[in-house]
This record gives sequence, structure tokens and C-alpha cells, in this order.
Amino acid sequence: KAGVTQTPRYLIKTRGQQVTLSCSPISGHRSVSWYQQTPGQGLQFLFEYFSETQRNKGNFPGRFSGRQFSNSRSEMNVSTLELGDSALYLCASSRGPNQPQHFGDGTRLSIL
Amino acid sequence: GQSLEQPSEVTAVEGAIVQINCTYQTSGFYGLSWYQQHDGGAPTFLSYNALDGLEETGRFSSFLSRSDSYGYLLLQELQMKDSASYFCAAANQAGTALIFGKGTTLSVSS
Repeated sequence: KAGVTQTPRYLIKTRGQQVTLSCSPISGHRSVSWYQQTPGQGLQFLFEYFSETQRNKGNFPGRFSGRQFSNSRSEMNVSTLELGDSALYLCASSRGPNQPQHFGDGTRLSIL
Repeated sequence: GQSLEQPSEVTAVEGAIVQINCTYQTSGFYGLSWYQQHDGGAPTFLSYNALDGLEETGRFSSFLSRSDSYGYLLLQELQMKDSASYFCAAANQAGTALIFGKGTTLSVSS
């Protein structure tokens, strides 16, 4: 059974650009959550989607947005990139309420 | 503010038992999750406590006391491969981790 797949694995962008990251959850999983991980701030929750609806949102500026498609695949978009957006972006999926979350290997985003 | 506090580092030897504590101060708390992350890897789910008490999964156990806003992860029969970072996280009612502790780096030596 394939795990959570995130693409791309690595990305280099410059300040002011925008970026779209993709996450394909495990087959049958309808909940997808996104996290940012940095050495300074640790793991921080971005948003959670379930059945194409954003269910929860973390404390990030509006430059960070996401969506989920009918096949449960999800994308997150960051506009007007800043140096501080350099991080590992992780996606996690779960089958439903109170089910374990399974993380992908993440997308490492570097902003120059 | 909302926060979860856990020790930054713990060291132990193979075969030993180690306990990683986590105290929390959050609103809308529904449960406590634990994750393991090896260097360069993705976090791996270990356990989730929605109710007070002990949950056991093989060598790992997790405990939650809501009245004390406290939980812990207990690792028994430590192995070298257990060397990793361990995170506690406050979860919402769907079990989704919303707020993470800074992580505890466990170093297991022979």
C-alpha cells in the first residue's frame, strides 16, 4: 500500500515568488493536514481538510492557503514568498476521526 | 498562550526504560498524540490518548492525566534504533495534531 506522497521533494524559490506543493494521501484516507517544520519554531499546524472542506486552520498569514480535491489529494500554496518560509512542509493523512496520522516525507522549500 | 512542554534531551542505555514527560496548556484539548522522528525522516505516529490512563503498544506506552494536564511516553527495552526525536502534540476532536511540543531528542547508547 503506497504511503503519503508529497511532490516535489525539494524546491528552491526566490523571495516574492509563489509555490504550490502537492500531497497524495494514502488510498481511502479522507483527512489531510499540512504542517511546517523549522529548526526554530518546530512543527506547526497549517490546516486540515476533510472531504474538500477546510476543517481547521493554524495561525499563519493569508499567504498560506490550501485546498482538497474530490479524490482527497491536497495542495497548499504560498504566495509572495519570504525568507522565513524556508522549511520542511509535511502532509499527513488519516482515514478519519481518531485514526493515526501518516506523514509523507515532506517538501523541503528553500527561499533565496 | 497555548503550549506543550517536554524535555529537550534524554539519554539512556540499551535495554533501559525511559519516560518522556509532556505538560500542556491549551484550550480545546481533546487528546495527546506522540510521534517519533528520525533525522531527515518524516514523523511517525506512535500513540494517541483521548482518555485518561495508559495505552500500551508493544515496547511503547503512553499515559494521559487531564486533571494534571500531563502525559508521558514510556519506552521500554530501549534499542539503538530508538534514538530519535519524540514529539507530543495536542489533538483536536478528530485526533488531528494541532499544537506540538518542541521535541525531545533521545540518545540511546550501548
